[in-house]
Amino acid sequence: GAGVSQSPSNKVTEKGKDVELRCDPISGHTALYWYRQSLGQGLEFLIYFQGNSAPDKSGLPSDRFSAERTGGSVSTLTIQRTQQEDSAVYLCASSPSVDEQFFGPGTRLTVL
Amino acid sequence: GDSVTQMEGPVTLSEEAFLTINCTYTATGYPSLFWYVQYPGEGLQLLLKATKADDKGSNKGFEATYRKETTSFHLEKGSVQVSDSAVYFCALRGGSGGSNYKLTFGKGTLLTVNP
Repeated sequence: GAGVSQSPSNKVTEKGKDVELRCDPISGHTALYWYRQSLGQGLEFLIYFQGNSAPDKSGLPSDRFSAERTGGSVSTLTIQRTQQEDSAVYLCASSPSVDEQFFGPGTRLTVL
Repeated sequence: GDSVTQMEGPVTLSEEAFLTINCTYTATGYPSLFWYVQYPGEGLQLLLKATKADDKGSNKGFEATYRKETTSFHLEKGSVQVSDSAVYFCALRGGSGGSNYKLTFGKGTLLTVNP
């Protein structure tokens, strides 16, 4: 069946612009997670959704970062006023419950 | 808080060599432990897991044993293949603070296997 998909696969933007990253989880998975993979920091947790609610936003690095999930499905991670340090691969994962997390291929964000 | 430390790479081996990638963790409580693999150009995939002390996870010839006394979860394979070339991540979930969903990752180890 279809796995987790993310779009775009690559995004190049200029410093100060806003970007939106999209995640389509596996159908029926109630839990959704965003992580960030960067050279300096490794893989970091950003936010966790259960349904449309986000009980844990503790990993969001600043108030420029926000995320939402609608219909218990698609999620969007928005970064406002991007900075060069936001350059990273943003990974989305989903799981049917608190269980194995299935990862998408990621969105590579480059901020010039 | 929780943390995972894994051996620095890169690791370069010849085909059929023995592989060990060390992983140790810091967490209170009883975390579950995982190894994920990221093949070139692909997303993270779960390789194996163990949910309690002395459990052994295994998959594709890889093994790791959950050692609570040494807080370790070392990854091993008896005979590596070129196709095993990838980045390997050790991770835990469900340690201190009652976070039973958030994965905490090590920094990853790049393995290159030469023919």
